[in-house]
Amino acid sequence: DTGVSQNPRHKITKRGQNVTFRCDPISEHNRLYWYRQTLGQGPEFLTYFQNEAQLEKSRLLSDRFSAERPKGSFSTLEIQRTEQGDSAMYLCASSLVTSSSYNEQFFGPGTRLTVL
Amino acid sequence: LAKTTQPISMDSYEGQEVNITCSHNNIATNDYITWYQQFPSQGPRFIIQGYKTKVTNEVASLFIPADRKSSTLSLPRVSLSDTAVYYCLVVPYSGNTPLVFGKGTRLSVIA
Repeated sequence: DTGVSQNPRHKITKRGQNVTFRCDPISEHNRLYWYRQTLGQGPEFLTYFQNEAQLEKSRLLSDRFSAERPKGSFSTLEIQRTEQGDSAMYLCASSLVTSSSYNEQFFGPGTRLTVL
Repeated sequence: LAKTTQPISMDSYEGQEVNITCSHNNIATNDYITWYQQFPSQGPRFIIQGYKTKVTNEVASLFIPADRKSSTLSLPRVSLSDTAVYYCLVVPYSGNTPLVFGKGTRLSVIA
């Protein structure tokens, strides 16, 4: 399967702990996005990368959140000092930016975080 | 980005055609209408995109009137496996921007 993969698929943690999620995009995709989705809502944008450069961060991304894409391939999203409000599905998407045609974003299956 | 409005939920029987309408009154000249589908416990999946008139692919058809203030996603002869949330989005043609999702339309297909 050459789609976007995310690990772990599920994570249960206690409030105050740190967690890290990993996203492996489709090979050769130069853009990578992180979204967060809570129950009954559509995904909300968090941040995105063009290769290894982080181009934009949403206001939703508090100081406790940090994302990296060190070699322009996989990405990690870390949440420090988790809070119950961080409980959500964290989605990763990747796309290949070209100068022509619509550059579809391909989503991974997500990591479901539960903060107790 | 233009805000979109679509019904919260719809029910349909298997074999029927389903039409989901989305309004986007403030769509800009360079914006395209894009639809994504999301099954439970999965990420969204691109279905179809259009600018005006009609677009058809193997999954759905998209109808866009001349004023482009609304659009209709048409799913022919739905099956149980089409039960999902459908999101209408307005995006620049390239798609190279973060997507802005609303709550979507939850379609339930009944046997």
